[in-house]
Amino acid sequence: AQSVTQPDIHITVSEGASLELRCNYSYGATPYLFWYVQSPGQGLQLLLKYFSGDTLVQGIKGFEAEFKRSQSSFNLRKPSVHWSDAAEYFCAVGGTGGGNKLTFGTGTQLKVEL
Amino acid sequence: DTAVSQTPKYLVTQMGNDKSIKCEQNLGHDTMYWYKQDSKKFLKIMFSYNNKELIINETVPNRFSPKSPDKAHLNLHINSLELGDSAVYFCASSQVQGVSEQFFGPGTRLTVL
Repeated sequence: AQSVTQPDIHITVSEGASLELRCNYSYGATPYLFWYVQSPGQGLQLLLKYFSGDTLVQGIKGFEAEFKRSQSSFNLRKPSVHWSDAAEYFCAVGGTGGGNKLTFGTGTQLKVEL
Repeated sequence: DTAVSQTPKYLVTQMGNDKSIKCEQNLGHDTMYWYKQDSKKFLKIMFSYNNKELIINETVPNRFSPKSPDKAHLNLHINSLELGDSAVYFCASSQVQGVSEQFFGPGTRLTVL
């Protein structure tokens, strides 16, 4: 069964500081990996995705993530956080077959101190 | 134009009632989904439809019945509502070929009193 672990429930960073959100996955085949962001009262917006190829993927809003197969990880990074980045971040894993099912992690809530 | 829309945004109702949530996507996608997000923000897939055909049914109580009149719409009907049904329900859609990103609606916050 596929699963995602986001070990940090809450993270607080200062505006302008760098950010790394951790994501570990379990999947029996080649994983398709996603990071979504959810602002309060909003739906989920895709930040970036990894399907294949270059293991460092760039996304919107200055975010990037690196796929490390040996560590089963797909950590999200941003070099300089803005106050507007405060939100809930979800990592998700999926794969071929089974109707494109995504399994989400429990999310990391990011707070940004001004 | 909104890509994936849901109505209503908020739904407050009494236990035992029956209610429906509607979802529409204008992206031309073949696959649509319903997710439930509980009070701890945990997101879990409930159903998936591909071209009006049920693909995924994740052991959801049969009080929940999805209906897809066409591939642009996926509605969720809930019978005999229970307190534990209180959650935010998200509709999503994606292209059908292989695994692709899913586009989410704004959510419907259901509160059962």
